[in-house]
Amino acid sequence: GDSVTQMEGPVTLSEEAFLTINCTYTATGYPSLFWYVQYPGEGLQLLLKATKADDKGSNKGFEATYRKETTSFHLEKGSVQVSDSAVYFCALSEFSEKLVFGKGTKLTVNP
Amino acid sequence: DADVTQTPRNRITKTGKRIMLECSQTKGHDRMYWYRQDPGLGLRLIYYSFDVKDINKGEISDGYSVSRQAQAKFSLSLESAIPNQTALYFCATSDSAGGLHSPLHFGNGTRLTVT
Repeated sequence: GDSVTQMEGPVTLSEEAFLTINCTYTATGYPSLFWYVQYPGEGLQLLLKATKADDKGSNKGFEATYRKETTSFHLEKGSVQVSDSAVYFCALSEFSEKLVFGKGTKLTVNP
Repeated sequence: DADVTQTPRNRITKTGKRIMLECSQTKGHDRMYWYRQDPGLGLRLIYYSFDVKDINKGEISDGYSVSRQAQAKFSLSLESAIPNQTALYFCATSDSAGGLHSPLHFGNGTRLTVT
């Protein structure tokens, strides 16, 4: 079945550092791919998405490119801020139209 | 915003008790979901409903039941709570018009502790 694997955390960075959170997926067809963010005490929010190969999703300085050849959707940001501290989830949606989530990666950004 | 509202936010209950978690939404979405979040396990789907007359089991439905009382309301029940149901529970909605591109919209969660 469909599955998502993302890098284990926690990840700790200093402010203005470069961020990469790796995500790879297994699917039989052409899924839609998503990154969600969960701030402390809140529910998940959509951060960005991509619906076909080579699409780049972007939002709030975060980017991720749908790479079908490597079945990857890595999340990047050039300069993180303390306010980016959160848990990040990679997810996919395919035939069943239900989202399948990775286990989440906790990011802490120190001033 | 409070487009997806979950009540209560926190609940402590004893083993064997029946409890209900409620979810209501003002987004006008037809699809609703219940997820459970446990540390290190991510989110796992308990039940989902694609419209009022459609209820489906997710990957971990044992020990849970649901009711879709209206398009805007979807409740989750634990018939006889047990300690390993201690978790953070999320309700979510989506719009079928977007198909598999539709993102989920989450409530702020209910933290349930079973002692």
